[in-house]
Formats: sequence, structure tokens, C-alpha cells
Amino acid sequence: AQSVSQHNHHVILSEAASLELGCNYSYGGTVNLFWYVQYPGQHLQLLLKYFSGDPLVKGIKGFEAEFIKSKFSFNLRKPSVQWSDTAEYFCAVNLYSGNTPLVFGKGTRLSVIA
Amino acid sequence: NAGVTQTPKFQVLKTGQSMTLQCAQDMNHEYMSWYRQDPGMGLRLIHYSVGAGITDQGEVPNGYNVSRSTTEDFPLRLLSAAPSQTSVYFCASRAGVVTDTQYFGPGTRLTVL
Repeated sequence: AQSVSQHNHHVILSEAASLELGCNYSYGGTVNLFWYVQYPGQHLQLLLKYFSGDPLVKGIKGFEAEFIKSKFSFNLRKPSVQWSDTAEYFCAVNLYSGNTPLVFGKGTRLSVIA
Repeated sequence: NAGVTQTPKFQVLKTGQSMTLQCAQDMNHEYMSWYRQDPGMGLRLIHYSVGAGITDQGEVPNGYNVSRSTTEDFPLRLLSAAPSQTSVYFCASRAGVVTDTQYFGPGTRLTVL
């Protein structure tokens, strides 16, 4: 079965620091990859997604992620975080074709301090 | 568009009670799903549906039932609530294509005493 691993449970950064959140998946086939964000008290929103083409994808709010097929990874990055980026971040995967459900990682809580 | 709506926002149940969490979407999406979110566990899939009349189990289906009689609605039924079902429940929908964005509802916070 597919699984998604997010290695960092809680990350604390100062404003303007750079961010990288790890995501690895275990599936040998072709997959679609997503990052979602959940701001405090809100529902999940899509940050970015990858399903083909350029492995470096750009999303909203200055976030980007790079798909490295050989490493089964899809790490999320932002060059300079802001206090408003404080949230929980979820990586998710589904199969490239068919009507398969999204499988989520356990999430990484990001706290940005002034 | 209202997007994905869920009712109620909050609910407290006693052990053994049953209830239905409502989910509706107005985007004509074929695919709908239910997740539960627990601290440190991320989102776990309960049930999903690829269209009206078709449902399937996810990772944690025990204790829950679903049906999909219309494209718009996908209710989740708790048959006999247990404290282990205390959680935040999210409904989500997407169009039929697997690469499409999945949209989430605002969630229902359920406490079972």
C-alpha cells in the first residue's frame, strides 16, 4: 500500500529563515504529489501539486517543491518564511491514473517566531 | 459556489449514540471522501466515493457507514459512537480526474463521551 512519510513533526523557525520540509513516499509506480496547508482553525488548502513535466513546481505564497523520482521525495521549500506561514503542512500522494484516493502524511507543524 | 459544506461544526455524543455528519458540494464533483484528523496521525481516509451509487472503504472504515445517492451529498454515519471516534472529520471533493485539486470542507469536531 502507498504510504507517505514526513520526517519533521514540528519545525520552529525565525522569520526570514529558509524552510525545507521533507516528504517521501513508498510506491514504485507513477504518482501525483500534493502539498496542502492547514492554518490554525481552518480547513486544508492546496499549496501546490505535481503530476508531470518540470519537477520543480511553484505554488502559492512563495512555496515551491521539487520532485526527485530517484529518491521518492517531494520536499517543500520556501526561501524566507513569515509569521503568517505558521500552520500545519501535509504531503499527499495518489496514483497517476485511475480514481484513487489521496493518501496523506502525518503532517509537519511549522511555528514561525518573530 | 459554496464549495464543500459540512454540518454540524461541533457535536458531542454519548457512547452508543448514532449520528450522521452531513457533507455537500455544489461543484458537480464526482469524487468525494471522508477523512478523520487526529493529533500526530495526519488525515486518515475513512470512506470514499467515485460517483453516485459507488462507495469504497478507506484505511479506517470500521464503525462508519456511507452512501451516495446523489452527486452533491455524501453523509457519514456513526452507527454506535465510541470514544475512539473523537476526532475532527473532514469531507473533501474533486472532479473526476485524479490530478485535480481536492477541496476540503471546514470540518466537524466530534467528541464522544
